Amino acid sequence: DAGVIQSPRHEVTEMGQEVTLRCKPISGHNSLFWYRQTMMRGLELLIYFNNNVPIDDSGMPEDRFSAKMPNASFSTLKIQPSEPRDSAVYFCASSAEDRESDTQYFGPGTRLTVL
Amino acid sequence: AQSVSQHNHHVILSEAASLELGCNYSYGGTVNLFWYVQYPGQHLQLLLKYFSGDPLVKGIKGFEAEFIKSKFSFNLRKPSVQWSDTAEYFCAVTPNSGYSTLTFGKGTMLLVSP
Repeated sequence: DAGVIQSPRHEVTEMGQEVTLRCKPISGHNSLFWYRQTMMRGLELLIYFNNNVPIDDSGMPEDRFSAKMPNASFSTLKIQPSEPRDSAVYFCASSAEDRESDTQYFGPGTRLTVL
Repeated sequence: AQSVSQHNHHVILSEAASLELGCNYSYGGTVNLFWYVQYPGQHLQLLLKYFSGDPLVKGIKGFEAEFIKSKFSFNLRKPSVQWSDTAEYFCAVTPNSGYSTLTFGKGTMLLVSP
């Protein structure tokens, strides 16, 4: 299995630009999570999908952030417009949502730098 | 809502020293507990997990953790660390009901000197 796939691995953009991060979960997993990691705040859950439906988006910082999951094999996290304080590593994770396999598997992350 | 507290932000050890990283959680119900490791520049990987049964859980690379329900703790241990164990370690908890949203601790950075 290829694991969780994220793209791009690195993104450098200027303030005000739109940024789109992509994630392909592990095949067969029905839950997908977006996290943000910074030195100051650690790992924060941004949003969580189950069977392509957003279940909890309380961690999304503000309206500039949006996430979609159009099908079971693809999700996007969009920031528009981006700001320097959005600079972080964004991780996508997926899980099978089975009581015995209730483990999240993380992708390699996207390191975002907003200048 | 649940929360996780990791006692040490940074730990420095020499090779062959024993390791214990503290983790306490707060939640009123039954929980599932995890330790993840993040090697420099890499993504989070699962070290071990506890769902039920034997409270002493063995994971990869010689790590183990003990769930002590009365203390709300899930400390990570390794008898003898290696330089390659240098990484950041995250404790995480999720309620054993409903959807599995993980709550992470702030992490402990372990530096093992050769």
